[in-house]
Formats: sequence, C-alpha cells, structure tokens
Amino acid sequence: EIVMTQSPATLSVSPGESATLSCRASQSIGNNLAWFQQKPGQAPRLLIYAASTRATGVPARFSGSGSGTDFTLTISSLQSEDFAVYYCQRYNNWPPQTFGQGTKVEIK
Amino acid sequence: EVQLVESGGGLVQPGRSLRLSCTTSGFTFGDYAMSWFRQAPGKGLDWVGFISSRDYGRTTKYAASVKGRFIISRDDSKGIVYLQMNSLKTEDTGVYYCVRDWDWGQGTQVAVSS
Repeated sequence: EIVMTQSPATLSVSPGESATLSCRASQSIGNNLAWFQQKPGQAPRLLIYAASTRATGVPARFSGSGSGTDFTLTISSLQSEDFAVYYCQRYNNWPPQTFGQGTKVEIK
Repeated sequence: EVQLVESGGGLVQPGRSLRLSCTTSGFTFGDYAMSWFRQAPGKGLDWVGFISSRDYGRTTKYAASVKGRFIISRDDSKGIVYLQMNSLKTEDTGVYYCVRDWDWGQGTQVAVSS
C-alpha cells in the first residue's frame, strides 16, 4: 500500500507571504497527485490535479510541482481565505485514492 | 452543474445499521464510478469504498476497515448511490462524503455512540 506523507503538519505564515507544502509518496506515483483545500465545516475542494494543473477557478497563486515520489504545493502571497488544511491525494491505480494526513496553514 | 447531496446520517448505537444516500444531478450518473470517503472528527480523509459504472460491472471495493460490514450499491435509474453500514462501531463516527471524480458532496454526519 502506498503511503502519502505530508510535511510540515502545521505551517504558520503571515498574510502576503508564501507557503511551501510537501507531500511524499512511499513509491512512485508518476504525476497522479492532487491537492485539496479544506476549510472547517466544508467539503474538500480540488486545487491541483496531475501534480501541476490548476482546477477550474483556482487562483494562479496556487501552483503544484513534482513527479514520482516528491511533490510540492506553493501558495504565493497568502490571502486570508487561504488559511485552511491542505491534503495531497494520490490516484494512480485507484481505487483507493489515499490522502496524506494534511498540512494546516495558519496565520502567524 | 454537478450536484451530490448526501442524506441519511444521524446518531446510532454501536452494532446497529444505517443507510446513507447520495442523490446526484447534472451528469449522466450511469457513466460514472462513485466513491465514498469519510472524515473522523478532527482527523484526515479516508477512502471507504467504490462502485464502478454499469459498463464495468458495478464492481465494488472497500477499505479493509469496513469490508464485510459496509455495502455500496447504486440505482442508475434514480441517480442515487447508497452506503449501507452494518455492525457500526464507534470508530465509524464522522462525516461521510459522496464523490464523483473530483466532485464532492457536502457530507452527512454519522455518530455511533451508546
């Protein structure tokens, strides 16, 4: 079973600064990696799929990169609405589609 | 617009059963596989199970934690996918989400407690 590991668990960032979130797969998943944003009381929202393709309506300040086992989500110039929990999800050979444990981006 | 609306959640005692429904609209339901995910309070997102489309035999797969207790089915004529949850445990508590590809419903809360 492929395990997805995210780091850090919590990231404290000031508004206007950038944030870099990491996700590592225990074995290669190609570019079959998605990033989701989740706010309290809401369902997850797709941000990025195929490791680097922004979903419809997602602001350009969100960017994804990586392939194989190491992936990064970068949020440039954090806005107030960006403070949330972010999950990576692998979807190669699904089901299942497994998630990392999440990174909480909080206001510094 | 794709819409997924879960219902059927609630408070149930351990060992009892509950059936969740996910009513869909905005797409040709029969053409798509459907999945269920869940999220325990304050925890991350876990895959529960999956049912393929009719063309792929309506095949089901389940997470090890629910296999043998949960059953996923679908009614293509109504655009509804079901999650029958039997022999519920306290660790089944959480919000249950219905998912099609990248689209998620808003979830329904299940609480298993005596």
